[in-house]
Amino acid sequence: DAGVIQSPRHEVTEMGQEVTLRCKPISGHNSLFWYRQTMMRGLELLIYFNNNVPIDDSGMPEDRFSAKMPNASFSTLKIQPSEPRDSAVYFCASSLRQGTNYNEQFFGPGTRLTVL
Amino acid sequence: GENVEQHPSTLSVQEGDSAVIKCTYSDSASNYFPWYKQELGKRPQLIIDIRSNVGEKKDQRIAVTLNKTAKHFSLHITETQPEDSAVYFCAARDNNDMRFGAGTRLTVKP
Repeated sequence: DAGVIQSPRHEVTEMGQEVTLRCKPISGHNSLFWYRQTMMRGLELLIYFNNNVPIDDSGMPEDRFSAKMPNASFSTLKIQPSEPRDSAVYFCASSLRQGTNYNEQFFGPGTRLTVL
Repeated sequence: GENVEQHPSTLSVQEGDSAVIKCTYSDSASNYFPWYKQELGKRPQLIIDIRSNVGEKKDQRIAVTLNKTAKHFSLHITETQPEDSAVYFCAARDNNDMRFGAGTRLTVKP
């Protein structure tokens, strides 16, 4: 398995533009997580899905952020409009939830977003 | 929701010495406690985890202890090596929420 795949790896955009980050989880995993990492705020959970259904989006900072998971093998995180303070590394992670047990989360390589 | 505190924020040890990183959590419902290692410019990777039904787990030079009563857990690295230098994150989760500590930058000096 190629592991969690994220694209693009780097994104540079101008303030006000729409940004879409993509994630393909590990095949067979049923939980998917989006994180944001900055020096100031560390690693923050933005949203997670179980079986393609959003469970907790309380970490999504503003209405400018939205996430979807149309099927078990694909998820997007969209920022519209983007702002300079959104600059960060965005990680996607997936895991296999068995009953009430969560197992190891495997992180993707991350997308480094720079908003000018 | 869960709140995880991690100490110290930086730790410098001599090669061969032990390193200990400590975390506390707030939600008594938390039942899964992973530790991640993140090297510069790379993704976090799981190094060890522990569930609430055990008090200690060991994997070669790495061990984790959990005290559910006090709501704290610790990472122990023995015989440290320069390649152990990285940022280490603890995390705690219940069935609905996963929170990370702020991270500890470990430097192992040769």
